[in-house]
Amino acid sequence: LAKTTQPISMDSYEGQEVNITCSHNNIATNDYITWYQQFPSQGPRFIIQGYKTKVTNEVASLFIPADRKSSTLSLPRVSLSDTAVYYCLVGDIGDDKIIFGKGTRLHILP
Amino acid sequence: NAGVMQNPRHLVRRRGQEARLRCSPMKGHSHVYWYRQLPEEGLKFMVYLQKENIIDESGMPKERFSAEFPKEGPSILRIQQVVRGDSAAYFCASSPNGELRVSPLHFGNGTRLTVT
Repeated sequence: LAKTTQPISMDSYEGQEVNITCSHNNIATNDYITWYQQFPSQGPRFIIQGYKTKVTNEVASLFIPADRKSSTLSLPRVSLSDTAVYYCLVGDIGDDKIIFGKGTRLHILP
Repeated sequence: NAGVMQNPRHLVRRRGQEARLRCSPMKGHSHVYWYRQLPEEGLKFMVYLQKENIIDESGMPKERFSAEFPKEGPSILRIQQVVRGDSAAYFCASSPNGELRVSPLHFGNGTRLTVT
Protein backbone atom coordinates (compact mmCIF):
# COMPACT_ATOMS: atom_id res chain seq x y z
CA LEU A 1 0.00 0.00 0.00
CA ALA A 2 1.34 3.43 -0.97
CA LYS A 3 2.35 5.61 1.95
CA THR A 4 0.81 9.06 2.21
CA THR A 5 2.07 12.27 3.78
CA GLN A 6 -0.22 15.13 4.75
CA PRO A 7 0.04 18.10 7.12
CA ILE A 8 -0.60 17.26 10.75
CA SER A 9 -2.85 20.27 11.26
CA MET A 10 -4.30 23.33 9.54
CA ASP A 11 -6.28 26.37 10.65
CA SER A 12 -8.63 28.40 8.51
CA TYR A 13 -11.54 30.81 8.85
CA GLU A 14 -15.20 30.50 8.09
CA GLY A 15 -16.08 31.28 4.49
CA GLN A 16 -12.61 30.52 3.16
CA GLU A 17 -11.65 27.80 0.71
CA VAL A 18 -9.43 25.16 2.28
CA ASN A 19 -6.99 23.02 0.34
CA ILE A 20 -5.35 20.00 1.96
CA THR A 21 -2.56 18.41 -0.04
CA CYS A 22 -1.50 14.80 0.29
CA SER A 23 1.76 13.37 -1.09
CA HIS A 24 1.91 9.80 -2.35
CA ASN A 25 5.15 9.60 -4.31
CA ASN A 26 5.13 5.83 -4.78
CA ILE A 27 1.53 5.50 -5.94
CA ALA A 28 1.04 2.49 -8.22
CA THR A 29 -0.77 2.38 -11.55
CA ASN A 30 -3.81 0.60 -10.10
CA ASP A 31 -4.06 2.75 -6.98
CA TYR A 32 -6.95 5.14 -6.44
CA ILE A 33 -7.15 8.04 -3.99
CA THR A 34 -9.83 8.35 -1.32
CA TRP A 35 -10.52 10.94 1.36
CA TYR A 36 -12.42 10.39 4.60
CA GLN A 37 -13.59 12.90 7.20
CA GLN A 38 -13.84 12.19 10.93
CA PHE A 39 -15.67 14.39 13.42
CA PRO A 40 -14.91 14.09 17.15
CA SER A 41 -16.52 11.03 18.74
CA GLN A 42 -17.71 9.71 15.38
CA GLY A 43 -16.50 7.19 12.84
CA PRO A 44 -14.91 8.31 9.57
CA ARG A 45 -17.15 9.27 6.70
CA PHE A 46 -16.32 8.89 3.00
CA ILE A 47 -15.94 12.25 1.22
CA ILE A 48 -14.58 11.71 -2.26
CA GLN A 49 -12.56 9.34 -4.42
CA GLY A 50 -10.64 9.72 -7.67
CA TYR A 51 -8.03 8.24 -9.96
CA LYS A 52 -6.83 11.19 -12.04
CA THR A 53 -7.65 14.79 -13.04
CA LYS A 54 -10.53 16.33 -11.12
CA VAL A 55 -13.54 14.95 -9.28
CA THR A 56 -16.26 17.09 -7.74
CA ASN A 57 -19.28 16.26 -5.60
CA GLU A 58 -21.62 18.21 -3.35
CA VAL A 59 -19.10 18.22 -0.51
CA ALA A 60 -15.66 18.74 -2.04
CA SER A 61 -13.39 18.66 -5.05
CA LEU A 62 -10.36 16.44 -5.55
CA PHE A 63 -7.53 17.59 -7.81
CA ILE A 64 -5.01 15.03 -9.04
CA PRO A 65 -2.09 16.12 -11.26
CA ALA A 66 -0.97 14.07 -14.23
CA ASP A 67 1.87 12.33 -12.35
CA ARG A 68 -0.57 11.37 -9.52
CA LYS A 69 2.18 11.78 -6.93
CA SER A 70 -0.01 14.12 -4.94
CA SER A 71 -3.65 15.10 -4.58
CA THR A 72 -5.47 18.10 -3.13
CA LEU A 73 -8.78 18.03 -1.32
CA SER A 74 -10.59 21.34 -1.74
CA LEU A 75 -13.39 22.39 0.61
CA PRO A 76 -15.25 25.48 -0.64
CA ARG A 77 -16.43 28.12 1.83
CA VAL A 78 -15.83 26.18 5.03
CA SER A 79 -17.94 26.58 8.15
CA LEU A 80 -17.25 25.78 11.79
CA SER A 81 -18.84 22.38 11.29
CA ASP A 82 -16.05 21.40 8.88
CA THR A 83 -13.67 21.15 11.85
CA ALA A 84 -12.57 17.52 11.66
CA VAL A 85 -9.71 15.19 10.83
CA TYR A 86 -9.27 14.51 7.12
CA TYR A 87 -7.60 11.29 5.97
CA CYS A 88 -5.97 10.75 2.58
CA LEU A 89 -5.80 7.09 1.57
CA VAL A 90 -4.26 5.37 -1.41
CA GLY A 91 -5.18 1.83 -2.33
CA ASP A 92 -5.52 -0.75 -5.04
CA ILE A 93 -8.77 -2.20 -6.29
CA GLY A 94 -7.54 -5.55 -5.05
CA ASP A 95 -6.83 -4.39 -1.50
CA ASP A 96 -8.96 -6.08 1.12
CA LYS A 97 -8.65 -3.32 3.70
CA ILE A 98 -8.06 0.41 4.08
CA ILE A 99 -5.01 1.63 5.97
CA PHE A 100 -5.36 5.00 7.69
CA GLY A 101 -2.56 7.42 8.52
CA LYS A 102 -2.80 10.14 11.17
CA GLY A 103 -4.70 12.54 8.93
CA THR A 104 -4.87 16.34 8.96
CA ARG A 105 -6.63 18.08 11.84
CA LEU A 106 -8.51 20.99 10.31
CA HIS A 107 -9.64 23.68 12.72
CA ILE A 108 -12.05 26.30 11.42
CA LEU A 109 -12.07 29.58 13.30
CA PRO A 110 -14.96 32.08 13.43
CA ASN B 1 -32.02 2.76 6.36
CA ALA B 2 -30.05 2.43 9.57
CA GLY B 3 -26.32 2.84 9.37
CA VAL B 4 -23.70 0.73 11.08
CA MET B 5 -24.75 0.23 14.69
CA GLN B 6 -22.24 -0.34 17.45
CA ASN B 7 -22.97 -1.06 21.07
CA PRO B 8 -22.30 -0.21 23.70
CA ARG B 9 -21.12 3.33 22.99
CA HIS B 10 -19.11 3.36 26.19
CA LEU B 11 -17.75 0.36 28.08
CA VAL B 12 -15.81 0.39 31.33
CA ARG B 13 -13.97 -2.72 32.43
CA ARG B 14 -11.54 -3.49 35.23
CA ARG B 15 -8.21 -5.07 34.40
CA GLY B 16 -8.62 -8.79 33.84
CA GLN B 17 -12.26 -8.66 32.80
CA GLU B 18 -13.63 -9.44 29.35
CA ALA B 19 -14.93 -6.86 26.90
CA ARG B 20 -17.46 -7.68 24.17
CA LEU B 21 -18.08 -5.14 21.46
CA ARG B 22 -20.94 -5.59 19.02
CA CYS B 23 -21.40 -4.35 15.48
CA SER B 24 -24.47 -4.64 13.26
CA PRO B 25 -23.53 -3.77 9.68
CA MET B 26 -25.72 -1.81 7.33
CA LYS B 27 -28.59 -3.76 5.84
CA GLY B 28 -27.38 -5.82 2.92
CA HIS B 29 -23.71 -5.60 3.92
CA SER B 30 -21.92 -8.89 4.49
CA HIS B 31 -18.37 -7.57 5.02
CA VAL B 32 -17.25 -6.17 8.36
CA TYR B 33 -14.01 -4.45 9.38
CA TRP B 34 -12.78 -3.58 12.87
CA TYR B 35 -10.41 -0.70 13.61
CA ARG B 36 -8.87 0.63 16.82
CA GLN B 37 -8.09 4.27 17.49
CA LEU B 38 -5.95 5.56 20.33
CA PRO B 39 -6.38 9.21 21.44
CA GLU B 40 -4.93 11.66 18.92
CA GLU B 41 -3.98 8.79 16.60
CA GLY B 42 -5.27 7.48 13.30
CA LEU B 43 -7.30 4.31 12.92
CA LYS B 44 -5.44 1.01 12.98
CA PHE B 45 -6.85 -1.93 11.03
CA MET B 46 -7.50 -5.02 13.14
CA VAL B 47 -9.59 -7.59 11.29
CA TYR B 48 -11.77 -8.11 8.21
CA LEU B 49 -14.60 -10.64 8.23
CA GLN B 50 -17.28 -11.96 5.97
CA LYS B 51 -20.21 -13.98 7.23
CA GLU B 52 -18.75 -16.93 9.18
CA ASN B 53 -15.23 -16.31 7.84
CA ILE B 54 -12.18 -14.33 8.92
CA ILE B 55 -10.59 -12.94 5.76
CA ASP B 56 -7.70 -10.91 7.19
CA GLU B 57 -6.70 -10.69 10.85
CA SER B 58 -3.22 -9.34 10.28
CA GLY B 59 -3.82 -6.31 12.51
CA MET B 60 -5.20 -8.13 15.51
CA PRO B 61 -3.01 -9.08 18.47
CA LYS B 62 -2.44 -12.83 18.58
CA GLU B 63 -3.43 -13.14 22.21
CA ARG B 64 -6.59 -12.10 24.07
CA PHE B 65 -8.33 -10.71 20.97
CA SER B 66 -10.83 -12.56 18.81
CA ALA B 67 -13.54 -11.64 16.33
CA GLU B 68 -16.47 -13.38 14.78
CA PHE B 69 -19.26 -12.61 12.36
CA PRO B 70 -21.84 -15.40 12.63
CA LYS B 71 -24.42 -16.28 10.04
CA GLU B 72 -27.06 -14.62 12.19
CA GLY B 73 -26.54 -11.65 14.47
CA PRO B 74 -23.91 -8.96 14.88
CA SER B 75 -20.17 -9.17 14.57
CA ILE B 76 -18.44 -9.46 17.94
CA LEU B 77 -14.97 -8.24 18.90
CA ARG B 78 -13.94 -9.94 22.10
CA ILE B 79 -11.06 -8.87 24.32
CA GLN B 80 -10.19 -11.22 27.15
CA GLN B 81 -8.32 -10.20 30.32
CA VAL B 82 -8.25 -6.55 29.37
CA VAL B 83 -5.28 -4.35 30.28
CA ARG B 84 -5.04 -0.57 30.49
CA GLY B 85 -3.39 -0.45 27.06
CA ASP B 86 -6.61 -1.78 25.52
CA SER B 87 -8.34 1.52 26.34
CA ALA B 88 -9.27 3.01 22.98
CA ALA B 89 -12.14 3.67 20.59
CA TYR B 90 -13.06 0.62 18.52
CA PHE B 91 -14.75 1.29 15.21
CA CYS B 92 -16.63 -1.10 13.00
CA ALA B 93 -17.21 -0.55 9.30
CA SER B 94 -19.16 -2.46 6.71
CA SER B 95 -19.21 -2.92 2.97
CA PRO B 96 -21.70 -4.68 0.72
CA ASN B 97 -19.16 -6.66 -1.23
CA GLY B 98 -15.60 -5.95 -0.08
CA GLU B 99 -14.83 -4.11 -3.32
CA LEU B 100 -13.49 -0.96 -1.70
CA ARG B 101 -12.86 0.75 -5.01
CA VAL B 102 -16.58 0.70 -5.79
CA SER B 103 -18.16 0.78 -2.34
CA PRO B 104 -16.37 2.87 0.30
CA LEU B 105 -16.61 1.77 3.90
CA HIS B 106 -19.47 2.87 6.14
CA PHE B 107 -18.40 3.35 9.75
CA GLY B 108 -20.28 3.19 13.01
CA ASN B 109 -19.71 5.72 15.79
CA GLY B 110 -17.54 3.40 17.78
CA THR B 111 -17.31 1.88 21.23
CA ARG B 112 -15.11 3.66 23.71
CA LEU B 113 -13.48 1.14 25.99
CA THR B 114 -11.97 2.33 29.24
CA VAL B 115 -9.98 -0.12 31.35
CA THR B 116 -9.56 0.89 34.97
